[in-house]
Amino acid sequence: QKEVEQNSGPLSVPEGAIASLNCTYSDRGSQSFFWYRQYSGKSPELIMSIYSNGDKEDGRFTAQLNKASQYVSLLIRDSQPSDSATYLCAVPSQGAQKLVFGQGTRLTINP
Amino acid sequence: DAMVIQNPRYQVTQFGKPVTLSCSQTLNHNVMYWYQQKSSQAPKLLFHYYDKDFNNEADTPDNFQSRRPNTSFCFLDIRSPGLGDAAMYLCATSKDSAGPRGGYTFGSGTRLTVV
Repeated sequence: QKEVEQNSGPLSVPEGAIASLNCTYSDRGSQSFFWYRQYSGKSPELIMSIYSNGDKEDGRFTAQLNKASQYVSLLIRDSQPSDSATYLCAVPSQGAQKLVFGQGTRLTINP
Repeated sequence: DAMVIQNPRYQVTQFGKPVTLSCSQTLNHNVMYWYQQKSSQAPKLLFHYYDKDFNNEADTPDNFQSRRPNTSFCFLDIRSPGLGDAAMYLCATSKDSAGPRGGYTFGSGTRLTVV
């Protein structure tokens, strides 16, 4: 089992709708979780981090964490064409100073 | 502005010809990482430095080496690039006190092409 798993997509969502991205992880001891956005040909950009069970909201973005089920999700409300990108989920590798990334979900927002 | 800078943005090298990619940071972060990312794949960690301590990933080929002469700079050396080494190379930094709990700051990446 991979440490971090995401559905690679592509995921197509109409403009203005809610985009929902999911990520599961294998290490029950993980304490922090990150979502990065990566535009084609660019480097990843941190958009959300979450450390506690429940929801964390930042503008149009909401991260949801469920440690019992070992999944973390990202919701994007009022999706815009500029949200079209690959979204990477990342989790620290236990006992190590490094992040493990999922393969990313490619999201396309259709005008 | 404090940042992580990678040079060059694009690098074309010949098969088998040594190449060096550079990364500098003004954040004074203790940890510097090198990731390789191939098309439609997850970034894959090659190695990282915690201060001067080098940490190699078990599956990183010997063809890849790294140097960190001081806090600000880190280099990735590919001794004999093969066609399979064509990828985006990402440098990232983090604070030691936060580590991955605080997330990374990424450079803009270097796109390596091997001809």
